[in-house]
Amino acid sequence: EDKVVQSPLSLVVHEGDTVTLNCSYEVTNFRSLLWYKQEKKAPTFLFMLTSSGIEKKSGRLSSILDKKELFSILNITATQTGDSAIYLCAVERDMRFGAGTRLTVKP
Amino acid sequence: GAVVSQHPSWVICKSGTSVKIECRSLDFQATTMFWYRQFPKQSLMLMATSNEGSKATYEQGVEKDKFLINHASLTLSTLTVTSAHPEDSSFYICSAVTSGGANIQYFGAGTRLSVL
Repeated sequence: EDKVVQSPLSLVVHEGDTVTLNCSYEVTNFRSLLWYKQEKKAPTFLFMLTSSGIEKKSGRLSSILDKKELFSILNITATQTGDSAIYLCAVERDMRFGAGTRLTVKP
Repeated sequence: GAVVSQHPSWVICKSGTSVKIECRSLDFQATTMFWYRQFPKQSLMLMATSNEGSKATYEQGVEKDKFLINHASLTLSTLTVTSAHPEDSSFYICSAVTSGGANIQYFGAGTRLSVL
């Protein structure tokens, strides 16, 4: 059975800290892994990863995929209170989501 | 980026009535749309995959007759919750996948359904 596992489920840090969120997967017909940020309503797209070892970066956020070990990490440096959200990873082909990591950044 | 419109954003209905939720891709064609359900403080649970012009593919445990999905055009998919009951109260989110390239999902704003 396909599964997507995120860890930790919850994380509380202070502004300025760096966090690493994990997403491991076991799926058939893997095509890509996607990271989303969900605040109050709909998730917003962050990254799409298809190849191993190639870091994708957007501002303070970066992500990388390891297709051999079947996981991805999402890094957020110099966290801000606005980074507080649920971070979701999803694996294509079937778009299965992990349980999410609830990140709380305290001032 | 691509825009997906979901309507209504909030609906309250009486038990036993049916509710229709629309999901539209506004500036692109979406051959595939997904419907998710989300309980408070939980992740998105895939309910069904909707392909234009064909029957939806439902996930295990999702009642086809209760959650009717119609994908009549390349820009519109609808989810109808038939004979809604209080346990159907939830947050429903749709997403549409752009075709012809990176299969990135773009999400609608979601519909909060409250069944009294």
